[in-house]
Amino acid sequence: EAQVTQNPRYLITVTGKKLTVTCSQNMNHEYMSWYRQDPGLGLRQIYYSMNVEVTDKGDVPEGYKVSRKEKRNFPLILESPSPNQTSLYFCASIQTGTGSYEQYFGPGTRLTVT
Amino acid sequence: GNSVTQMEGPVTLSEEAFLTINCTYTATGYPSLFWYVQYPGEGLQLLLKATKADDKGSNKGFEATYRKETTSFHLEKGSVQVSDSAVYFCALSRSSGSARQLTFGSGTQLTVLP
Repeated sequence: EAQVTQNPRYLITVTGKKLTVTCSQNMNHEYMSWYRQDPGLGLRQIYYSMNVEVTDKGDVPEGYKVSRKEKRNFPLILESPSPNQTSLYFCASIQTGTGSYEQYFGPGTRLTVT
Repeated sequence: GNSVTQMEGPVTLSEEAFLTINCTYTATGYPSLFWYVQYPGEGLQLLLKATKADDKGSNKGFEATYRKETTSFHLEKGSVQVSDSAVYFCALSRSSGSARQLTFGSGTQLTVLP
């Protein structure tokens, strides 16, 4: 079954404590992306990756890092989380072969930073 | 740059009512257009898509037609059900280029009452 998995699903942490949200896909897609979802703002792209070792900033990259050492994994790293990073985060794996960039989303990670 | 404007929500309808959620876009080139649905507590799922002008995407009774002349991709359903209650996102992507060119609207919350 085609799948994007994220862990953890829920996380409560404190300001400044480094954390990593993992994302993994089993569709052999080259493109992956991270979004945050906030009320009234829809989904905003944080970072994306076009292939292993190739990443670039999205619309709201400040305070986040990513890495892409393997095609299937694309972790999101918050080196020093702050309360304004409290949000719902989605990882997506993107099918590009058809030219339409259809996205497959993970179930989401709800992060609360106190 | 690219942008997607969606009808403001929330939208509340009675079961079997007709649904329209408006979506207009601004983009260079020839984007692909999507509607995604997010059920409570879940990630986004692709509902339908259209990749060129005058294409009609359809799924689960929902339809949307890619109108290049009006830069619109309005979502319609003839008879909504309680199970259609969800948040609906309009989105666009370029037909070529990087994953950077993926843009979502702000989402429209739909509630269907029995």
